[in-house]
Amino acid sequence: AQSVAQPEDQVNVAEGNPLTVKCTYSVSGNPYLFWYVQYPNRGLQFLLKYITGDNLVKGSYGFEAEFNKSQTSFHLKKPSALVSDSALYFCAVRALNRDDKIIFGKGTRLHILP
Amino acid sequence: EAQVTQNPRYLITVTGKKLTVTCSQNMNHEYMSWYRQDPGLGLRQIYYSMNVEVTDKGDVPEGYKVSRKEKRNFPLILESPSPNQTSLYFCASGRGPQVRGDTQYFGPGTRLTVL
Repeated sequence: AQSVAQPEDQVNVAEGNPLTVKCTYSVSGNPYLFWYVQYPNRGLQFLLKYITGDNLVKGSYGFEAEFNKSQTSFHLKKPSALVSDSALYFCAVRALNRDDKIIFGKGTRLHILP
Repeated sequence: EAQVTQNPRYLITVTGKKLTVTCSQNMNHEYMSWYRQDPGLGLRQIYYSMNVEVTDKGDVPEGYKVSRKEKRNFPLILESPSPNQTSLYFCASGRGPQVRGDTQYFGPGTRLTVL
């Protein structure tokens, strides 16, 4: 069965420092991987995705993510955090098989400290 | 503006009183879905629809119904709400899993409290 794990419930980073939000997945076959962000009192917004090709994917608001097939990871990164990056981040996976359901992780709350 | 709308945004009700949460999208998307978000559990899919008159159960369908009579609308129905259905609900739409790497667009959410 496919699954997504976000091992950290919360990540605290000082403003200006690099940030990483971790995500690992388990699927059979090649995955499509996504990151979504949820700001307070808002729905989820798409940040970036990996389908194929370059393992480093760039997305909105200066975020990027690196697909690592051997480690089955898709960590979200940003070189310099902003206070406005504080939000709830969800990793998601869709496997290319008969069951094309998208599975979301439990979310990681990112706090950027001024 | 491309968007998914939900109504109501907030609802407090009592056990057993039937309610409907509406969802509408203006992007001509074939795929629509309902999720509930609970602390520590993330997003869990309730029902989804691949097209008009085509609906299917997600991971947590018990206690919910849906219908898809029109492409743009996908209401969520709670025939007899119970306190364990207190949650934050999101509707989403997209072109569907048959589109490579399709992303979903989410509504603003409906916070439901069942007393």
